[in-house]
Amino acid sequence: GNSVTQMEGPVTLSEEAFLTINCTYTATGYPSLFWYVQYPGEGLQLLLKATKADDKGSNKGFEATYRKETTSFHLEKGSVQVSDSAVYFCALSVPEGNEKLTFGTGTRLTIIP
Amino acid sequence: GAVVSQHPSRVICKSGTSVKIECRSLDFQATTMFWYRQFPKQSLMLMATSNEGSKATYEQGVEKDKFLINHASLTLSTLTVTSAHPEDSSFYICSGRSSNYGYTFGSGTRLTVV
Repeated sequence: GNSVTQMEGPVTLSEEAFLTINCTYTATGYPSLFWYVQYPGEGLQLLLKATKADDKGSNKGFEATYRKETTSFHLEKGSVQVSDSAVYFCALSVPEGNEKLTFGTGTRLTIIP
Repeated sequence: GAVVSQHPSRVICKSGTSVKIECRSLDFQATTMFWYRQFPKQSLMLMATSNEGSKATYEQGVEKDKFLINHASLTLSTLTVTSAHPEDSSFYICSGRSSNYGYTFGSGTRLTVV
């Protein structure tokens, strides 16, 4: 089956620190990979995505590269801000059936000034 | 961009009553709607998948008679929690999928059953 393994949190960093949140996956077929962000009390927002190997998704200073050889999609940001505090979810979908998303467990990130 | 409007954002109801949560895709047609449940500090658990005009497909362990899903049109899907109990208290999120916009999530509904 399909699954996503995500770095467990919570993660606490100081402002301007470098961020890495690890994500690995297993999938039947060729998945598309996503990172979603959830702010307190809200739904999920797409942060970035990649649909094929070696693609790099990027948005708001965040980046993640689709690594087929290591089945990974790690999220990185060079200098985090307090406003980046949220829960981050790694997810995948495969091109079959209803193409439902499979989520990781989420990583809570807190940035302190 | 695509927007899914989810209402209500918060609801408190008494045990034994039913609650309806509505999700509308405002500027696109959602061929598929997904309903998730999220427990505090946990990931999203897919409850069911619905396609417009057909019966929803429920995930294993989800009671279809308790969580009624209707997807009557390409822009509207509803989840009704019937005979709610305190253990049904949770955060419910819908997501509409379209070929143009991919997955678009609603803002969620916090249900509290007292």
